[in-house]
Amino acid sequence: QVQLQQWGAGLLKPSETLSLTCAVYGESFNGYYWTWIRQSPGKGLEWIGEISHTGITYYNPSLKSRVSISVDTSKNQFSLRLDSLTAADTSVYYCARGRHRGATLNFDYWGPGTLVTVSS
Amino acid sequence: DLTQPPSLSVSPGQTATITCSGDKLGDRFASWYQLKPGQSPVLVIYQDNQRPSGIPERFSGSNSGNTATLTISGSQAMDEADYYCQAGDVGTVVFGGGTKLTVL
Repeated sequence: QVQLQQWGAGLLKPSETLSLTCAVYGESFNGYYWTWIRQSPGKGLEWIGEISHTGITYYNPSLKSRVSISVDTSKNQFSLRLDSLTAADTSVYYCARGRHRGATLNFDYWGPGTLVTVSS
Repeated sequence: DLTQPPSLSVSPGQTATITCSGDKLGDRFASWYQLKPGQSPVLVIYQDNQRPSGIPERFSGSNSGNTATLTISGSQAMDEADYYCQAGDVGTVVFGGGTKLTVL
């Protein structure tokens, strides 16, 4: 059974950097796209970006200048870094497994989510 | 962009139909996720009409033209949740704004 466990700081100040890590258990790391998605309070899901097991990254254009996703295949982990935080970045951040089927990517396993609050 | 109605209300046992509109959406595959408060999203439909293992048969999907549709036949109280459509491939993922389904 695939399990994703995530961790990182939950309370940050404006201008600080968000750092989250997601560990994958019970399945090979290869062949999937490891993804970060967030949900702001009262708003919908927003795709942040993803990384292949080979380290190729793809980012949401609206966040591209501030975001970085990395992977450590030796530990079956991937990480999110988001710089220059503002209150608008307050969200629940999810890690998820992206499965490429046909000409589409969808997310079949999710982490439990981490609430990140940005406040002075 | 993908557009969903903000809310939908049905009575138990009725059919809930949630739409997702986007330019030429029918030319792409659509997926649907169920999100309940305090829980992680659950994939309920992928590739327009495929159900992952463990998803009840009352969940079905279709996609044509500019609209993808999630249908819940015989809605139950446990189906009350937010539902999000999603389309796109690697590097181009987009979500709809979500539809709050109330079953009462």
